[in-house]
Amino acid sequence: DSGVTQTPKHLITATGQRVTLRCSPRSGDLSVYWYQQSLDQGLQFLIQYYNGEERAKGNILERFSAQQFPDLHSELNLSSLELGDSALYFCASSKPGRTDTQYFGPGTRLTVL
Amino acid sequence: AQTVTQSQPEMSVQEAETVTLSCTYDTSENNYYLFWYKQPPSRQMILVIRQEAYKQQNATENRFSVNFQKAAKSFSLKISDSQLGDTAMYFCAFINSGAGSYQLTFGKGTKLSVIP
Repeated sequence: DSGVTQTPKHLITATGQRVTLRCSPRSGDLSVYWYQQSLDQGLQFLIQYYNGEERAKGNILERFSAQQFPDLHSELNLSSLELGDSALYFCASSKPGRTDTQYFGPGTRLTVL
Repeated sequence: AQTVTQSQPEMSVQEAETVTLSCTYDTSENNYYLFWYKQPPSRQMILVIRQEAYKQQNATENRFSVNFQKAAKSFSLKISDSQLGDTAMYFCAFINSGAGSYQLTFGKGTKLSVIP
């Protein structure tokens, strides 16, 4: 158990819908990262937050957005869902001063039908 | 842009034997970190080992060790005394510490099967 929690574990929804994935980082970690793992694209970095502020953006679609709240939990919002958005979404967190070492949550499996 | 290449999509090893997984990377940066992550069938991403590019000494963690060749941009993982629980996907990953964002760039992975 990495100490990073993600909810829900599984999510099944229809095309065009909107979903919210939630992540709670390990105690003391200020950075949260979101990654997408799909069969065709592999593991890709989406976005990073540090203590509530957006720090970096990767291959994140405009239909996707994220935020980190004052209690440091983070949410990834996916809207106008398409079949190709079906993937495993991971959240990871790291401590200040050790941002190179990221610990991953168990992931949320999203299935878009 | 950084790229990470794992040239072995699948490998197998007998239990108790030693196996080496290959990884090469491409970067123009001098300060970076390299990692191996393990993803068992449970899909959890587990950090196996970490190497800082400025350290010449190869990292080791129990049965796991790396062979870091900076000039060749090579970072292989050796698993000694393979156990059934080592069966998993293994991902090589890279962080450019000079970029400020610390995002991980992953290879495509190597599926390792440990045979009893």
